[in-house]
Amino acid sequence: GAVVSQHPSWVICKSGTSVKIECRSLDFQATTMFWYRQFPKQSLMLMATSNEGSKATYEQGVEKDKFLINHASLTLSTLTVTSAHPEDSSFYICSAKTGVKTEAFFGQGTRLTVV
Amino acid sequence: QKEVEQNSGPLSVPEGAIASLNCTYSDRGSQSFFWYRQYSGKSPELIMFIYSNGDKEDGRFTAQLNKASQYVSLLIRDSQPSDSATYLCAVLYSSASKIIFGSGTRLSIRP
Repeated sequence: GAVVSQHPSWVICKSGTSVKIECRSLDFQATTMFWYRQFPKQSLMLMATSNEGSKATYEQGVEKDKFLINHASLTLSTLTVTSAHPEDSSFYICSAKTGVKTEAFFGQGTRLTVV
Repeated sequence: QKEVEQNSGPLSVPEGAIASLNCTYSDRGSQSFFWYRQYSGKSPELIMFIYSNGDKEDGRFTAQLNKASQYVSLLIRDSQPSDSATYLCAVLYSSASKIIFGSGTRLSIRP
């Protein structure tokens, strides 16, 4: 399958600071990237969908000013958690797909801990 | 009604038996369906995808889709202890081009 690389795999930050997570498709062009958040023992909750060159579409309840998503190229999307708080601690996972019907491939995930 | 529903389990199956995982979805216009496996603390990995009504087989895995009933399932034959994981059903909502996941079914294969 296609390879999606997510970095960093884990990060610890202080409350009030910002954290940037990168998601790269290594061997294909990702027209669409998804960002998910997963709390312990829960399923993946879609945060936003981004298409290259367009503004991200956020799911209801997700603050777009807090979770900044940039999809500037066909191989890179970033998620910036601004003014992080302990309740933002979670497992953040990106996935990427190309085309309309094709499957999505996942990055390794980033475990964010805000202290 | 949840957009994608799965029984959370745990589903316990003896080694060598068939494990059957089920999923229903609400968007009748959906065209693409996926099964992912997730081990604890890891990111999901794609097992199978299915677009057409009927069965699709890949090794020990068979995905079944019934669009009229808005139902998709995954069968795992000759279950192995390494199959113990959470299985996530995902649906591509064509109206919004987003992939929505069910809550997952925890599968345990007992030796």
